[in-house]
This record gives sequence, structure tokens and C-alpha cells, in this order.
Amino acid sequence: SAVISQKPSRDICQRGTSLTIQCQVDSQVTMMFWYRQQPGQSLTLIATANQGSEATYESGFVIDKFPISRPNLTFSTLTVSNMSPEDSSIYLCSVLTGGLGYTFGSGTRLTVV
Amino acid sequence: TQLLEQSPQFLSIQEGENLTVYCNSSSVFSSLQWYRQEPGEGPVLLVTVVTGGEVKKLKRLTFQFGDARKDSSLHITAAQPGDTGLYLCAGDFQGAQKLVFGQGTRLTINP
Repeated sequence: SAVISQKPSRDICQRGTSLTIQCQVDSQVTMMFWYRQQPGQSLTLIATANQGSEATYESGFVIDKFPISRPNLTFSTLTVSNMSPEDSSIYLCSVLTGGLGYTFGSGTRLTVV
Repeated sequence: TQLLEQSPQFLSIQEGENLTVYCNSSSVFSSLQWYRQEPGEGPVLLVTVVTGGEVKKLKRLTFQFGDARKDSSLHITAAQPGDTGLYLCAGDFQGAQKLVFGQGTRLTINP
């Protein structure tokens, strides 16, 4: 299965600032997925990132708030913009692994103060 | 909107007991997956079930996919403290090419 390196692992940020989260995969993948996991809750899909095209956002998530880059088949970034305390969550990237399941990064724990 | 109802959301039992976690939907899945997540880590895939009625075993864990591919269960036999964690079911709905997660079951096994 793929190995994903996600960073930073955690950060504490001031409200109104932005944070960019990076995910590096050890193999080429067509789609990468970004999830949010609010404290004590399950995962919610933010968007799907394909290389060479605009990301596809789920209901409730917009590009201005969560811009995504996908410059090549092994790398993607998610930016959380103009942060507020409500954005405090764990953010995870994921890739489909050989059609049998998904591999997740270890997550970025974001606290906005 | 496809929804996955997972129950129970919290479960605390003694070591050696058995337990079952359920995952239900009104929609049909093309596949269903079970993940386990520990603090500070991303979810780790335990199993993928694809065929209606399918049963898969992973040591003391038994996973079942309903005949109609709308529900699934995870049964743990003789639970151990090392089984403690957040268990998540996730459905891959036909044509969607993305996962929808249940609410999760936070399992605590007490020594």
C-alpha cells in the first residue's frame, strides 16, 4: 500500500491567518482526498484533488476557504484560509490503494486561537 | 445524500467480553470498509467487503456484509485492551468514487 507523509503534524495558529498542509505520496496516484475530522467526530470529505484539474468540493466546503493544489501525481496541498476557532480540527489526506481501500496520512491537528 | 448510521457510538466493556458494532444505510454500497483509528494517527484499513453476504475474519475480528449490501457488522471476540480505539465504517457508493464515513464507535476495553 502507499505511504503518505503529511505535515505539519500539528500547529497552533492565530485567527485570521492561513495554514498550508502538505501531503507527499510514495507512488503516483490519480486522486487524492482531503478530510476534516472535528474533535471527537468522524471524517467528512472536503474535496477530491485530481492532477491537472480543479479540485471537486463537497457541499459546505468552498475553494476560497480551502484552496487545494495538485501539481503532480505524488503531491497535494490544502490551505485553510482566514482561520477561525471553528476550523480547529484534524485534517487528513488520503489516497485509494489498489482499489482495495484507502490509505490515510497521520493527520494535521490544527488549533486556532 | 448517502448516510451511514453506525452504532453504538460509545462502548466500554471488560476484557474478555464480546461485542458487535453495526453500520447501516438505506443506500447500496459498492464496497464497505472498516477502519481503526488511534489518537494522533490517521485511520488504518482493517478490511474491505464487496460481495453481499460476505464474511471476513481477521484474528478475533469478524466482518459481515449484508446480503443487500446496505449494512455491515464488526464482531470482536474476547476483547483485549489493545482493541481500544475508534472504529469507523465507510461506504464507497456506486459511481461516487469517494468514502462516506459513519459516526464512529469509540471502544474502550477495560483490563
